[in-house]
Amino acid sequence: AQSVTQLGSHVSVSEGALVLLRCNYSSSVPPYLFWYVQYPNQGLQLLLKYTSAATLVKGINGFEAEFKKSETSFHLTKPSAHMSDAAEYFCAVSVMDSSYKLIFGSGTRLLVRP
Amino acid sequence: DVKVTQSSRYLVKRTGEKVFLECVQDMDHENMFWYRQDPGLGLRLIYFSYDVKMKEKGDIPEGYSVSREKKERFSLILESASTNQTSMYLCASSLLGGANPEAFFGQGTRLTVV
Repeated sequence: AQSVTQLGSHVSVSEGALVLLRCNYSSSVPPYLFWYVQYPNQGLQLLLKYTSAATLVKGINGFEAEFKKSETSFHLTKPSAHMSDAAEYFCAVSVMDSSYKLIFGSGTRLLVRP
Repeated sequence: DVKVTQSSRYLVKRTGEKVFLECVQDMDHENMFWYRQDPGLGLRLIYFSYDVKMKEKGDIPEGYSVSREKKERFSLILESASTNQTSMYLCASSLLGGANPEAFFGQGTRLTVV
């Protein structure tokens, strides 16, 4: 069965600093991987996805993530944080052998200090 | 644009009531999902369905059932609502794999059981 672990329930960075949100997955077959963002009182919005094409994936709002099979990781990064990036971020995995059941991590709340 | 519509944004129900949460998607997606979202726990999968009349248990199915009589509609049923089912409920839909396997989410239903 697949699973997702997000390290750090809260991450705090200064405006302009590097953002790094960590995600590790467990899957016995090649996965699809996703990052979603949720702003306060809003639904989930897709940031980016990995579907076995390029291992470095670029998403919206300047975010990117790199699929590393050897480390079973899919960490999310952004070179320079903006105040508007403050939100909750969720990593998710789905695999073909379980009818594409979509499993989420517990989320990381990003705080951006002025 | 893909649209996933949940029938209610807010619901207040009494303990022991039978509760129906409805979700409709307009993009002919095979997969549909129900999650509950609680602070610090992320999104936990209750049930999902990859075809009409098909259903699979997620990680926390106890106290819930589902119905999928038509491809576009997926209902979550709380047979006898309890206070520990007070939560945000999110519906999502997706294709079965391919180049665009990402899930699209509704705005959520905040259910309070009193």
